[in-house]
Amino acid sequence: EVQLVESGGGLVQPGGSLTLSCAASGFTFSTYWMNWVRQAPGKGLEWVANIKPDGNEKFYVDSVKGRFTISRDNRENLLYLQMHSLRAEDTAVYYCAKEHETFDHWGQGSLVTVSS
Amino acid sequence: QSALTQPPSASGSPGQSVTISCTGTSSDVGRYKYVSWYQQHPGKVPKLIIYEVTKRPSGVPDRFSGSKSGNTASLTVSGLQAEDEADYYCLSYRDSKILWVFGGGTKLTVL
Repeated sequence: EVQLVESGGGLVQPGGSLTLSCAASGFTFSTYWMNWVRQAPGKGLEWVANIKPDGNEKFYVDSVKGRFTISRDNRENLLYLQMHSLRAEDTAVYYCAKEHETFDHWGQGSLVTVSS
Repeated sequence: QSALTQPPSASGSPGQSVTISCTGTSSDVGRYKYVSWYQQHPGKVPKLIIYEVTKRPSGVPDRFSGSKSGNTASLTVSGLQAEDEADYYCLSYRDSKILWVFGGGTKLTVL
C-alpha cells in the first residue's frame, strides 16, 4: 500500500524558514516524479514544485521560485521542501503527491502557518 | 501561470446529473490526455476520481465520468447522491517548463 507521510509543518514568522519532509513507502520511490501541492485556508489547490526521479530536474510555480527548494533522498525514500523567506501568503496545508500520469497518491498534509 | 477556469458552484437534486466544466488552453487541456478530476470533502485529502480525461480509478463509482472537447474538459456526476456534495478540482499537465495546473475548484451542492 502506498503511503506518504508529511512532517515538519508549524508556525513560523514572516521571513523565516521551514523544511517539510515526506516519507514514502509501498512503491519504488526512486522511479517516480514527486510533487508538492498546497492549499491555503478556504482556497483551492495549487501545484508548487516537482522533481524528477533522479533529482536532476526540478520545477517550481513562479511564486516560490528562488525561495523554495525541492529535493529527495532516494536511499531513504524521502522528499523535502525547503522554504525560505516565508510570507503570509505561503500559509497553507502542504501535500506531497506521487506522480504517475496524474497525482495518484497524496499524503495527509502538513500545515504551515506564517504569522508574527 | 493562471489556473484552469471552473465555475465556482454547481448544484443538483438527488438522482439528477450535473456537469462541471474546466476550461484551459491549447497548451494544457487542449493538448494533453493528462486531465484529472479530484473530489475533496471538507478537511479531507483530495481524492482522484478521473484521470487521463475519462478513466476511473478502482473503486470510483461509474456515476462519475469525464470527457474533453477542445480546450474544455468536463466532469459529469450522474444519479447525484448526498455524499457527492464536495469541492471538485480539475488538473492538467501544461507544456511550459513541465508544470501542472489546477482549476480554481467547483463547490457541488446536492439540494
